[in-house]
Amino acid sequence: QQQVKQSPQSLIVQKGGISIINCAYENTAFDYFPWYQQFPGKGPALLIAIRPDVSEKKEGRFTISFNKSAKQFSLHIMDSQPGDSATYFCAANTDKLIFGTGTRLQVFP
Amino acid sequence: DTGVSQDPRHKITKRGQNVTFRCDPISEHNRLYWYRQTLGQGPEFLTYFQNEAQLEKSRLLSDRFSAERPKGSFSTLEIQRTEQGDSAMYLCASSLASGQAYGYTFGSGTRLTVV
Repeated sequence: QQQVKQSPQSLIVQKGGISIINCAYENTAFDYFPWYQQFPGKGPALLIAIRPDVSEKKEGRFTISFNKSAKQFSLHIMDSQPGDSATYFCAANTDKLIFGTGTRLQVFP
Repeated sequence: DTGVSQDPRHKITKRGQNVTFRCDPISEHNRLYWYRQTLGQGPEFLTYFQNEAQLEKSRLLSDRFSAERPKGSFSTLEIQRTEQGDSAMYLCASSLASGQAYGYTFGSGTRLTVV
């Protein structure tokens, strides 16, 4: 019940394309859903986050879509750039973060 | 105060030795978390503190692991009698309250290699 399932495991996108990463959860007690970006050798850095009473949140090229009834949420990266190449983790919060397994994104010029 | 800092960045140790890692959180953050991350996986929760009180420990935290936050500021994570399976990145994070309103800030981690 504490798991967060993330897909795909890896994603290859052309520069300028849209990257989409999906996550699903079971625990309805989760109250906050952040996405983190991690570069090799670095800790995860907060990218964007959403609360379950909101269906969509957009910050620049990054958008979270949240479907409370389906217990699913997704990250959309518009106009993907080579600099976006990193590993992305979804997470869900009660009084600690539970992370998904990660998606390695590669954006080719 | 520039963020969460962890020391050392890298540690290589022989199997059976004890190791200790340090985390300095953002000064006004009262919550401090330890996570472990192995290659290709997401961070796994180990334990967290609110001020100096250790409020939760994962079952991943075997009796060889101990964490402290003696004055509610920095924290240490000690692993006794290290095993090769302990090789991982150990991440520290801090937040105000539960993190929902303010987010969690992660350090760059300590990479442990047990040989």
